[in-house]
Amino acid sequence: AQSVSQHNHHVILSEAASLELGCNYSYGGTVNLFWYVQYPGQHLQLLLKYFSGDPLVKGIKGFEAEFIKSKFSFNLRKPSVQWSDTAEYFCAFHSSGGYQKVTFGTGTKLQVIP
Amino acid sequence: NAGVTQTPKFQVLKTGQSMTLQCAQDMNHNSMYWYRQDPGMGLRLIYYSASEGTTDKGEVPNGYNVSRLNKREFSLRLESAAPSQTSVYFCASSEGTGLNTEAFFGQGTRLTVV
Repeated sequence: AQSVSQHNHHVILSEAASLELGCNYSYGGTVNLFWYVQYPGQHLQLLLKYFSGDPLVKGIKGFEAEFIKSKFSFNLRKPSVQWSDTAEYFCAFHSSGGYQKVTFGTGTKLQVIP
Repeated sequence: NAGVTQTPKFQVLKTGQSMTLQCAQDMNHNSMYWYRQDPGMGLRLIYYSASEGTTDKGEVPNGYNVSRLNKREFSLRLESAAPSQTSVYFCASSEGTGLNTEAFFGQGTRLTVV
């Protein structure tokens, strides 16, 4: 079965620290990849997406992610986090069929300490 | 721009009670989805509607029914609530169901069944 793994369940960082959240998926073919963010009490918002082309994808609020096909990975990065980045982050991937086939990871809670 | 609107935001039910979660989108999207989010399990698809007039089961449909009332509205009904249905429910919509599709999410409904 297709799956996506997020390695870190809870990450605590100080402001200005660098962030990297891991995401690995299990599928050998063409994939679309997403990172969503859920701020406390709010809905999921799309941070960035990879459909094709440049494997280094830049999203909103200074986030970026790199698609490494050989490693089946799509890690999320930010050079310097802010307190306002405190949220839960979900990786998701889509291999075929409609959006109903999107598989979500279990999420990583990021807490940024001022 | 409202996007995807869910009501209610919070609900407490007794075991065996019924209720309907409402969802409406104003983006003229064809497809709509209901997910549940449980700690450590990410988002799991309950039902989806690829287009007006159609509905299909997702990964965890048992105990739920849905109605695609019109293009804008997609409701989720719990006929006889059980404690296992305590969760956060998200509605989402997307323009289509193709591979290069992204979805937009509502703010969620936090349901507790006692």
